[in-house]
Amino acid sequence: DTAVSQTPKYLVTQMGNDKSIKCEQNLGHDTMYWYKQDSKKFLKIMFSYNNKELIINETVPNRFSPKSPDKAHLNLHINSLELGDSAVYFCASSQGGTENTIYFGEGSWLTVV
Amino acid sequence: QKEVEQNSGPLSVPEGAIASLNCTYSDRGSQSFFWYRQYSGKSPELIMFIYSNGDKEDGRFTAQLNKASQYVSLLIRDSQPSDSATYLCAVGYGGATNKLIFGTGTLLAVQP
Repeated sequence: DTAVSQTPKYLVTQMGNDKSIKCEQNLGHDTMYWYKQDSKKFLKIMFSYNNKELIINETVPNRFSPKSPDKAHLNLHINSLELGDSAVYFCASSQGGTENTIYFGEGSWLTVV
Repeated sequence: QKEVEQNSGPLSVPEGAIASLNCTYSDRGSQSFFWYRQYSGKSPELIMFIYSNGDKEDGRFTAQLNKASQYVSLLIRDSQPSDSATYLCAVGYGGATNKLIFGTGTLLAVQP
């Protein structure tokens, strides 16, 4: 079983559309994340939820809205997509605490045309 | 602004040699340090983590941490072509946010 799974893996969409990416983890972790990796491979945190509560909200346009229905799921909805939103979006989870090892999903490749 | 810096490379080493990857970080409050490997088109996967000053060995990999110099490194012994990937250094700050800040990664190329 995949520990952190996200769908869809590939998404090509037009500017102005609204799209969602879903994520689920079966590791029993309390904390989930969305990271964005741009074309230069820089991996930057966007959001983090701990047990359904938003704890990190980096400087991200408010067109991006995360939702965590329970601690095993964290979805990302993007409104009014722009060309600059094209990137790989990684969902991740961790147990938190001092160790805080983060485990990544396989990524969702978003291309806005 | 917390920063994690790495040389982007590429770092080219011959097969069988030792590859040395380096990382510096700006915040002395950093508590935990991680090395991830990312193959092209794949997600980052954890190689090692280290919390205390000194060396930590796991197979062909050794992580080294020097908190006074704000420096963490990864040594890969007997490098193999399959080690060719981007290596990401990440620094954790613990606390309520459990935030992990990544460097931009070093591309390692092991030449057969």
